[in-house]
Amino acid sequence: GAVVSQHPSRVICKSGTSVKIECRSLDFQATTMFWYRQFPKKSLMLMATSNEGSKATYEQGVEKDKFLINHASLTLSTLTVTSAHPEDSSFYICSAPGQGADEAFFGQGTRLTVV
Amino acid sequence: GQQLNQSPQSMFIQEGEDVSMNCTSSSIFNTWLWYKQEPGEGPVLLIALYKAGELTSNGRLTAQFGITRKDSFLNISASIPSDVGIYFCAGRKSTNAGKSTFGDGTTLTVKP
Repeated sequence: GAVVSQHPSRVICKSGTSVKIECRSLDFQATTMFWYRQFPKKSLMLMATSNEGSKATYEQGVEKDKFLINHASLTLSTLTVTSAHPEDSSFYICSAPGQGADEAFFGQGTRLTVV
Repeated sequence: GQQLNQSPQSMFIQEGEDVSMNCTSSSIFNTWLWYKQEPGEGPVLLIALYKAGELTSNGRLTAQFGITRKDSFLNISASIPSDVGIYFCAGRKSTNAGKSTFGDGTTLTVKP
């Protein structure tokens, strides 16, 4: 089946630094990808929709300058958390729609810890 | 904004028992999706429902799309220890190009 690969799975960074998370569709092309944030024992909160070749669409309340999204190819979207702070620590997950328009395929997630 | 109410929040059951969880919304959705998430992993799609009233099975799992389009339920029959995880419902409106709204999840614990 279709696979979405997310890297890294875990990252620890210092406050003030930037962290890049990659989301790749391994065996299919994705013109759209979605980025979610998940707090412990909480649901997935959609942050933004990544659009290949154009600007991402951010959900209300999500700082676009803080969470930079680049969808440079049909198989890769990146999320960069800029000037990270401890409150940015979270589990970030990407997904890409599969065939049949299901938003069916999620990456493995990235556990970000900002110290 | 849109909100899905998923219940129960958690369940502790004995192996072999059946499980039922549901999601309700004040909004109409055109697609209902059920996912399972294990610790440290992304969600995995279990069942997708596209039509009001649709009843779909995937092994021991059965899910239904409510006739009002505002609810859905998931049943797991004869639970086994590997059913442990968090189950999320998600609703999608066809105009949102794949964006889904997620419920808060049901944490399932199965005692051997």
